[in-house]
Formats: sequence, structure tokens, C-alpha cells
Amino acid sequence: EDQVTQSPEALRLQEGESSSLNCSYTVSGLRGLFWYRQDPGKGPEFLFTLYSAGEEKEKERLKATLTKKESFLHITAPKPEDSATYLCAVQTSGTYKYIFGTGTRLKVLA
Amino acid sequence: DVKVTQSSRYLVKRTGEKVFLECVQDMDHENMFWYRQDPGLGLRLIYFSYDVKMKEKGDIPEGYSVSREKKERFSLILESASTNQTSMYLCASSLRGGTGNTIYFGEGSWLTVV
Repeated sequence: EDQVTQSPEALRLQEGESSSLNCSYTVSGLRGLFWYRQDPGKGPEFLFTLYSAGEEKEKERLKATLTKKESFLHITAPKPEDSATYLCAVQTSGTYKYIFGTGTRLKVLA
Repeated sequence: DVKVTQSSRYLVKRTGEKVFLECVQDMDHENMFWYRQDPGLGLRLIYFSYDVKMKEKGDIPEGYSVSREKKERFSLILESASTNQTSMYLCASSLRGGTGNTIYFGEGSWLTVV
């Protein structure tokens, strides 16, 4: 069964303390892996799309990487405004469906 | 900039009322989706549409119906609202075909059924 698992469920960091969020996936064939940021009460905001193992994308303090089994969202020197829930999703081959993880709640303390 | 617009951000409806949630996208996407998001349950797909007038049931279609009369517009209908349909509803859209297609979300509609 296709599955996406995110860890940790929650993460508290001090401002400036770099860390990584994990998204592990088990799918029959990967068409794409997507990262989103979601603020409380709002819809998910698109961050990155990754298509194949070895690919990396960067935006400000965020960097997403992809292997054949998992993706990491690296947060370098985070700030309080980076506090949010980060969602990972995959689209599998031969389907329109997107499979979402349950997210990592990140809190960055000043 | 991509744009998925949900017309109502906050709604309060009574049990048994018929509820319409409207969504419009301006990206000429073929695919449109309705999800609901509940704490601890994540995102669950209600319905999907891959073309005008075409629809497919998602994982939790019971109690809902949809309408897609124009490519840019996808409506979610709660025929007779119940309290267990209190939730945040998210509309999304994506291109069809090719490699992985990014799915874009609207701001969400918070529905409370009393």
C-alpha cells in the first residue's frame, strides 16, 4: 500500500538552531514529491516539487532533498516566522491521487 | 502567481441545511479536488474532477456531492449538513498528465454546523 510518513510529529527549535524534517514514502512509482507550509487556519502553501532521486531545491532558509525512499526538508538558522506545519505529499505513477503525510509541527523560539 | 480562490472563508450553518462551497482557479488546470482537513486525520479526499462535468469519488464522499460546469469552477455541496461535517474544507487544482504535477490549494473554508 502506498504510504507517506513524516517525522517528527512536532519539533521545537531555538532561533538559529538548524534541523531537518523527514518524509519517508513507500509507493509503487513516484511521479513527484511535494513540500508545503501550512499556517494555522490557512491552506497549504506550495514550497517545492522534486521529481527524482538526487534532486535538491532551495528557497531562503529551506532546502529540500530527495532519495529513493525519503525526502528531507532542511531548515538552516530558522527564525520564529518559520513556525508552521510542514506537509509532504507524493503523486504516484498511473494515478491522479496525491498521498499526504500528517505533517511536522515546527515551533521556532526566539 | 497561481490562484485558487474559495469564496467563503467562514460559514456557520444549521443541521439539515444545504451548503454550497465554491472554488475558482485561474491556472487553466484540468484537475480539481476537494479535501477536508481535521486534526489528527490529515487531508482526506472527498471528490476529484479531471474535466468539465467529470467527477470521481475520493475516500470520503458520503454526504457530499460536487459540480463542475466550467473548467475553472468546482463546487462542493453538502445536501443536508450534519454536525460531523464541521471541518476545514480545502479546494485544490493541478495539471493533468506528464510528470508529477504540483497541486495548489486555496485558503480553506471553515464550516461549522450547529
